[in-house]
Formats: sequence, structure tokens, C-alpha cells
Amino acid sequence: GAGVSQSPRYKVAKRGQDVALRCDPISGHVSLFWYQQALGQGPEFLTYFQNEAQLDKSGLPSDRFFAERPEGSVSTLKIQRTQQEDSAVYLCASSLRRFGGETQYFGPGTRLLVL
Amino acid sequence: DAKTTQPNSMESNEEEPVHLPCNHSTISGTDYIHWYRQLPSQGPEYVIHGLTSNVNNRMASLAIAEDRKSSTLILHRATLRDAAVYYCILRGNAGNNRKLIWGLGTSLAVNP
Repeated sequence: GAGVSQSPRYKVAKRGQDVALRCDPISGHVSLFWYQQALGQGPEFLTYFQNEAQLDKSGLPSDRFFAERPEGSVSTLKIQRTQQEDSAVYLCASSLRRFGGETQYFGPGTRLLVL
Repeated sequence: DAKTTQPNSMESNEEEPVHLPCNHSTISGTDYIHWYRQLPSQGPEYVIHGLTSNVNNRMASLAIAEDRKSSTLILHRATLRDAAVYYCILRGNAGNNRKLIWGLGTSLAVNP
């Protein structure tokens, strides 16, 4: 079946521009996660949704970062006034909510380069 | 948040077994041990997870120490497609504490 998809796959932005990154999770998955991965590093948690509710946004690095999932399916990560330090791969993952350890399914990521 | 320690890199030969170690001395009783891997230019991929008992699936085996302070991911016969960064992660199971806290992982090279 279809996995997690993300668009665009690559984005080049000029410093100061706003960008929007889209994530289409696996159908029926209620949990959705965003991660940021700098070059040579492991992914870092940004935010977590359960359906449309944003239950954890502790990893968002600044108020320039905003995420939403208005209908509990597709999610958008928006970065306002991009800075060079925002250059990274942004990963989206979804999972079924069930008791115990749950598998997260990742998309291919969006590689953002801010010039 | 609990943390894990892994070697930066390891090397193996094709068709040989690979044992990837992970130390997690501060693990709590409800933390699950998850392993993911990330092939070059791809998103991470789930490999296996466990709580207390050893686990097997089609990709790998997970051996968990009796005190749960360490674990080992076992690839029974490495192939060239197994070359990736392998991450050992502890995931909480309390309320909304379900996020994954990632380290740097182990970069596995597989020689033909």
C-alpha cells in the first residue's frame, strides 16, 4: 500500500522567505510526527499530532516554525522568514496509536536549502 | 529523556552475521527499545523493537540483556543493501511521551 509521502522533495529558499512542507501520512494513521535532520546527525523531534490535536510541540526551535493538521490527515510544516540554520532534511512519520511500542513509518523527507 | 550509546561505525563482510551493540544504562521500566535504520538519502525505516524478551522478525533479531541496560541488533547475514546508519532508540510509553529521541547511530559498512 501507499506509504508516507512528502512534498516537495527538494526546496531552495532565499533567506527571509516563507516555506510550506507537506506530509501525507498513511491512511488511517492517527499519529503524525515531524523531525528535523541536520547533515550527519540523527533526526530531532519537532512536533507530534494525534488526529488534529497537536499534543507536543516542544521541539519546534522558534516561533517561526508552525505545524498544523486541520482534518487529522495531511499535515503542513511552515517555516516563516527562513534562516540559513533552517537548512536540513525535514522528515514526517505516521503511526497507528495502540498500546505498547508502535512503529513509525517515515516519508522520504524534504531537503530544504536556505541561501 | 533516556539516552543510548552506540559505536560510531562498524564494518562487516557480505553474508556474515553482524552484531550491533547499544548501551542504555538509564532505561526505565516502561521504555521500549526500538531500532531503525536509514539508508543514504532515504527516510528512516523500522527494523525491530522489544521490551524485555528477545525478538525475531524477518529483518533481524534483537537480544536484550537481562538487566535491560544493553541490547544487540543481530543481522544474520549481511547484504550490501544493509549498509546504513542504525539507530537504537528508547521510547517512552507514558501518556504523550511517545516521541523518539535519536542519537548519532552506528554507520554500518558492508564489504563485498
